[in-house]
Amino acid sequence: DAGVTQSPTHLIKTRGQHVTLRCSPISGHKSVSWYQQVLGQGPQFIFQYYEKEERGRGNFPDRFSARQFPNYSSELNVNALLLGDSALYLCASSPSPVVGQETQYFGPGTRLLVL
Amino acid sequence: SQQGEEDPQALSIQEGENATMNCSYKTSINNLQWYRQNSGRGLVHLILIRSNEREKHSGRLRVTLDTSKKSSSLLITASRAADTASYFCATDFKAAGNKLTFGGGTRVLVKP
Repeated sequence: DAGVTQSPTHLIKTRGQHVTLRCSPISGHKSVSWYQQVLGQGPQFIFQYYEKEERGRGNFPDRFSARQFPNYSSELNVNALLLGDSALYLCASSPSPVVGQETQYFGPGTRLLVL
Repeated sequence: SQQGEEDPQALSIQEGENATMNCSYKTSINNLQWYRQNSGRGLVHLILIRSNEREKHSGRLRVTLDTSKKSSSLLITASRAADTASYFCATDFKAAGNKLTFGGGTRVLVKP
């Protein structure tokens, strides 16, 4: 079975632009979570979606938004990019609506560089 | 902050030695997980330990949880070069709602 997939793998944007990152969960998983990992730090929780509804939100500004589609894939959108948004963006899926209750299966990430 | 804090931040050992890293946190948790990350890629789940459990094993990995001290440890026995990675604890804090909070990680280098 395919694992969690993310696209694109790498992306370069300039300040002020908008970016859309995509994630496809493991087949049968209804929960998708997004994380931002700045170089040298641990991942920071951004959002969790389950059955197309937002179930969890981290401390990120409103420039960050996400949605989940009927096939459980998900998009993360970031508007008005700042240099500080440069990071590895990770997506994780699981069967459970509670992120801490079960194993999270992570994708390889999208590396975003904002110039 | 509520996040788990790993200790040490970095660890260098010889192949065959054991590696121990610790995670401390400040408020009550439901569960605690350990993940491994190789070279800034995706994370791989190692072990999930629930708040009513004290110890779990998986192959060469042993995780302990002491809720009275608010700490957890990850032991890797008979380390291999392939164990070189960053290791993170991730906590499900009771007061934080539905989110997973990662610590800053321990970077482990296993020298052949």
